[in-house]
Amino acid sequence: GDSVTQKQGQVTLSEDDFLFINCTYSTTTYPTLFWYVQYPGQGPQLLLKVTTANNKGISRGFEATYDKGTTSFHLQKASVQESDSAVYFCALHYSGTYQRFGTGTKLQVVP
Amino acid sequence: NAGVIQTPRHKVTGKGQEATLWCEPISGHSAVFWYRQTIVQGLEFLTYFRNQAPIDDSGMPKERFSAQMPNQSHSTLKIQSTQPQDSAVYLCASSLCQNTLYFGAGTRLSVL
Repeated sequence: GDSVTQKQGQVTLSEDDFLFINCTYSTTTYPTLFWYVQYPGQGPQLLLKVTTANNKGISRGFEATYDKGTTSFHLQKASVQESDSAVYFCALHYSGTYQRFGTGTKLQVVP
Repeated sequence: NAGVIQTPRHKVTGKGQEATLWCEPISGHSAVFWYRQTIVQGLEFLTYFRNQAPIDDSGMPKERFSAQMPNQSHSTLKIQSTQPQDSAVYLCASSLCQNTLYFGAGTRLSVL
């Protein structure tokens, strides 16, 4: 069935480091892909969304590209800040169904 | 816009008791979703409504869980005879046309 895989459970970086969080998906068609971010005590909130029409999403310095060839949707940021510390979820969605989430990647940025 | 409101924020129940969780979606949003979040399982889909009608409850444990949406302004998730394994954060989300999900802060359920 359709699924999303995030293999990195936790990532620790220093400020100004480059961020790369891996997300791959398994599907027979082309869903809409999302990255959500969750801060402590809050629900996940949208970080960026990408459809097959636009292929790339950019928000708050984060970027993700829809790669149909490798069925990947990795999240990147050139220079992380301590305020980026949070849990990041990749998700996929088909119209008429619910969103399926990856297991999340906890990012800790140390000053 | 206050966003999705979930009450209570924390609920503690004894094993075997009933728990009712409330969700007020964003006004105008046509779809409401319930997810359960645990460290081990991550974000698990439970059920969702579109225009108040139940559409998919494939994630709901059948025996003790039920969800309703009696009007467009609120949905409830009821857990009967709560068990320790039901302890989790229950998240409600609403969306327009089932696109981007807007989550509430969640209800943390602790079953002792």
